[in-house]
Amino acid sequence: GAVVSQHPSRVICKSGTSVKIECRSLDFQATTMFWYRQFPKQSLMLMATSNEGSKATYEQGVEKDKFLINHASLTLSTLTVTSAHPEDSSFYICSARADGLGDWSDQPQHFGDGTRLSIL
Amino acid sequence: AQSVTQLDSHVSVSEGTPVLLRCNYSSSYSPSLFWYVQHPNKGLQLLLKYTSAATLVKGINGFEAEFKKSETSFHLTKPSAHMSDAAEYFCVVSTYSSASKIIFGSGTRLSIRP
Repeated sequence: GAVVSQHPSRVICKSGTSVKIECRSLDFQATTMFWYRQFPKQSLMLMATSNEGSKATYEQGVEKDKFLINHASLTLSTLTVTSAHPEDSSFYICSARADGLGDWSDQPQHFGDGTRLSIL
Repeated sequence: AQSVTQLDSHVSVSEGTPVLLRCNYSSSYSPSLFWYVQHPNKGLQLLLKYTSAATLVKGINGFEAEFKKSETSFHLTKPSAHMSDAAEYFCVVSTYSSASKIIFGSGTRLSIRP
């Protein structure tokens, strides 16, 4: 159980292209999903918290107009990198936390397999 | 405020020998603690979690971790390393006060020598 599917796994595109990444919770509902960016040999950096039915909460320094997040349903969040440039090349990972009883802090986040984005 | 420190950026062990990956945390509230593993170009997989129940937690693939409040530690261990254990390991802490966020350690790369 608790499977998160992230698609696509790899994208290579030209500078100026917009790229959409999907994150789906396959067997559970997730009011809250998260988007991370990971640089080589580093830990994950939280970009934004995606909330179903409301606006995403972005971390300081993350451009909300650059990284558009939509959480259209309890099982789907999308990240769109608009007008991507080479500096946006990175590994992007989503996660989802299952809705349930008790403190949210007891619930682990379940991660997708990531998307390797390469902008030429 | 809360934080996580993974004391070793790289650990190398021989196949069949014990594994110890160290993690210390700082938290003003009762924490929940997690260990995740990441294989190259993959997402993170949950190994185990501590959420204020038993202090010795058993996870998948033979891993376990012990929560020691007096030492503010949550070290990950495995009795006998396997080649497939080679990966990056992250210690993670969360508390109810942290506004829905979790805090990652910097990661420990585990290498297994044949």
